[in-house]
Amino acid sequence: NAGVTQTPKFQVLKTGQSMTLQCAQDMNHEYMSWYRQDPGMGLRLIHYSVGAGITDQGEVPNGYNVSRSTTEDFPLRLLSAAPSQTSVYFCASSYTIGQGGGYTFGSGTRLTVV
Amino acid sequence: GQQLNQSPQSMFIQEGEDVSMNCTSSSIFNTWLWYKQDPGEGPVLLIALYKAGELTSNGRLTAQFGITRKDSFLNISASIPSDVGIYFCAGRQGGSEKLVFGKGTKLTVNP
Repeated sequence: NAGVTQTPKFQVLKTGQSMTLQCAQDMNHEYMSWYRQDPGMGLRLIHYSVGAGITDQGEVPNGYNVSRSTTEDFPLRLLSAAPSQTSVYFCASSYTIGQGGGYTFGSGTRLTVV
Repeated sequence: GQQLNQSPQSMFIQEGEDVSMNCTSSSIFNTWLWYKQDPGEGPVLLIALYKAGELTSNGRLTAQFGITRKDSFLNISASIPSDVGIYFCAGRQGGSEKLVFGKGTKLTVNP
């Protein structure tokens, strides 16, 4: 049982490049989400999904796309990287409300855009 | 978006001291969660609270769900060096899967 796995752990991009941050969970969680963490800002929700085929925007969705084709995977795509997207990105998953519990987080992807 | 006000922003304490931190909101939450983040890692769930007035312990940690449902508190007793990290509160409103996070309390424990 690996929990929530994020890849890569570190990435440097040039402005304008695109890339996909991978997130996979093996706990059969229905709910998955992406957060970014910036100094002094806490964790801010980018996008989330309540199940395969269903996604929605969070607090800071601009510049990011997501899809959820399977229960296990929830990739985050940066379409055209900008320096403002330099951050630490966390993927999290959980059971739905009815089953209680909090989120399980991955160990993060540290992204630098130059 | 919804905001959680977490305080203090940082704390510098001596080993063995007790610690208190809190989280407040202008809106009602149905679930309050407390997480700890170690350097270079993702947040890890410490305590989950589901009912107003609920008091829950996890070892030296104790958290309470405020009666008004607009606040929560976390206490750490007899701090040790491994308590160092950033503590986040998070809340979930009724009918929503989304968690809203506070900005964190950075704890430093001097041996």
